[in-house]
Amino acid sequence: QSVVTQPPSASGTPGQRVTISCSGSSSNIGSNFVYWYQQLPGTAPKLLVYRDNQRPSGAPDRFSGSKSGTSASLAIRGLRSEDEADYYCATWDDSLSNWVFGGGTKLTVL
Amino acid sequence: QVQLAESGGGVVQPGGSLRLSCAPSGLILSNYGFHWVRQVPGKGLESVAFIRRDGNSKHYPDSVKGRFIISRDISKNTLYLQMNSLRGEDTAIYYCVKGAADNGAFDIWGHGIMVTVSS
Repeated sequence: QSVVTQPPSASGTPGQRVTISCSGSSSNIGSNFVYWYQQLPGTAPKLLVYRDNQRPSGAPDRFSGSKSGTSASLAIRGLRSEDEADYYCATWDDSLSNWVFGGGTKLTVL
Repeated sequence: QVQLAESGGGVVQPGGSLRLSCAPSGLILSNYGFHWVRQVPGKGLESVAFIRRDGNSKHYPDSVKGRFIISRDISKNTLYLQMNSLRGEDTAIYYCVKGAADNGAFDIWGHGIMVTVSS
């Protein structure tokens, strides 16, 4: 049971806007940066958003991150079939003194 | 371009030991923190070891504390994960992950290597 919670699944149709939430507490999301990773089937995870809302070079601008209090969100606009993947949030937890991942959200493009 | 190559995976009996290696190319290991992250096929991600850039600070979750040891050999530019007293629940894909320069967050991932604990 992770200390950071994500919905197990999300879905949308092509072109739609979808958001994935990541909920934590004051010891993790509330006081540390949140990172988002995309894991396409059969591949290693890849950094999608860092420091709450920054995109690394190469990450499509259709993806955006935000944070408010102890919750963070990943928004995907203009959904495409190739966005079908697992998405994970991650952050540092001050109480655990370790990095933690959310349980992951499987995004299905209908 | 930075690439991370894991090696040393395989099948080991319960109670046995295994050492994973990660040899990054395109960067100097000692300039960054590094992680080992595992994933049971079909399940989520779990950070199992983190070594800070200074090489002295190391972090482990309770699930592996006392059994796993992360270390590095600067002269070989290689990261290691020594896994002892292995259990069936340690069966997973293990990823070597480079930490971000500022705070060590998961940055660049290796392809992963499978570890199977089974008799």
